[in-house]
Amino acid sequence: GESVGLHLPTLSVQEGDNSIINCAYSNSASDYFIWYKQESGKGPQFIIDIRSNMDKRQGQRVTVLLNKTVKHLSLQIAATQPGDSAVYFCAERDLYNQGGKLIFGQGTELSVKP
Amino acid sequence: ETGVTQTPRHLVMGMTNKKSLKCEQHLGHNAMYWYKQSAKKPLELMFVYSLEERVENNSVPSRFSPECPNSSHLFLHLHTLQPEDSALYLCASSQDPEGTGRGEQYFGPGTRLLVL
Repeated sequence: GESVGLHLPTLSVQEGDNSIINCAYSNSASDYFIWYKQESGKGPQFIIDIRSNMDKRQGQRVTVLLNKTVKHLSLQIAATQPGDSAVYFCAERDLYNQGGKLIFGQGTELSVKP
Repeated sequence: ETGVTQTPRHLVMGMTNKKSLKCEQHLGHNAMYWYKQSAKKPLELMFVYSLEERVENNSVPSRFSPECPNSSHLFLHLHTLQPEDSALYLCASSQDPEGTGRGEQYFGPGTRLLVL
């Protein structure tokens, strides 16, 4: 399953499938990007980050891809599990022009069907 | 658990009340943040403290008053709030070697606030 971030705030996938959550950012000077996961009743939890000098970074079952040409960030979750159901936020940081503060996207709600 | 705790977890208050939100971090970080999370909106940064000094105040109304007595504790004092202030208030902390509030942030569970 695949989402387009702000234009499709919900994504429903079957357990075991791969999920792709997309995020478009607007600031070409952003140098650092983070994906957060927020489960119901909890605060955002860091998943994975990537710096602007990289285009791919892998973690455990997750991969973040960065395409600076089109200002697009994606989070891929392999073999999605029910415990992955949550809202996923991307955040960008412009170290020099925005005081380094994180700017968060609206979020995409991922729902995993057993 | 992320090492950042917030109390209370839920709060209902009238518009004339005064209340305070508390955040404590057990991570040895030197920067702390307050965010507001409203339904269907991105997280909004409210305040940043680094090395116990306020380094950012994002045009937040004066009815919200932060306090950072030391690097482990952060408060948000609330006074004469409006119903539109109802939201989830999240605290975060980070290690910020440059004193500018830029490190990776760890979030608490939030306080769900309802203003009647």
